[in-house]
Amino acid sequence: RKEVEQDPGPFNVPEGATVAFNCTYSNSASQSFFWYRQDCRKEPKLLMSVYSSGNEDGRFTAQLNRASQYISLLIRDSKLSDSATYLCVVNVLSSGSARQLTFGSGTQLTVLP
Amino acid sequence: DTEVTQTPKHLVMGMTNKKSLKCEQHMGHRAMYWYKQKAKKPPELMFVYSYEKLSINESVPSRFSPECPNSSLLNLHLHALQPEDSALYLCASSQDWTGGETQYFGPGTRLLVL
Repeated sequence: RKEVEQDPGPFNVPEGATVAFNCTYSNSASQSFFWYRQDCRKEPKLLMSVYSSGNEDGRFTAQLNRASQYISLLIRDSKLSDSATYLCVVNVLSSGSARQLTFGSGTQLTVLP
Repeated sequence: DTEVTQTPKHLVMGMTNKKSLKCEQHMGHRAMYWYKQKAKKPPELMFVYSYEKLSINESVPSRFSPECPNSSLLNLHLHALQPEDSALYLCASSQDWTGGETQYFGPGTRLLVL
């Protein structure tokens, strides 16, 4: 089982639509969770951290369910500029007590005019 | 705009060449990372430097040799690469390295090995 799993998509949605991405992680000891976005041929950029209480940033809402080991990202009122690959990122236990960020394979979103 | 810079943006090299990738950050971060990303795949961690010391080497072949001259700079020396090493090489930094910090990525070096 992959440590971080995402639906790869692609998701093709019309402008203005609401779209939700899901992510599951296998290590229950994971402590930090993030959503990054990556545009074609560009570097990943932090979209938002994900907190246990859930958090919102404008049109974006992230939720964390530790019991189900599940993270979600909701995008409301999609814009053309939201088209990108969305990466779910979780810190997992590495060698010894070290932790490192592990990336899901990404979900591709295309917002259509 | 990213505060992590990488040079060069693009690099084409033969299998017998020696080249270096450079990364610099001015955010006072104490952890720096090298990742490799193939097309349509997520970034894969190669190396972690924490306080200028190599903390993680993810079983990377010795033809990749990292170097951290100071807390702001991170180099990746390349020698005798293979065509399958062609990829986007991303540098990142974070405030510290306990695994929970946000990592900030540079724009990457797109490497082609012929």
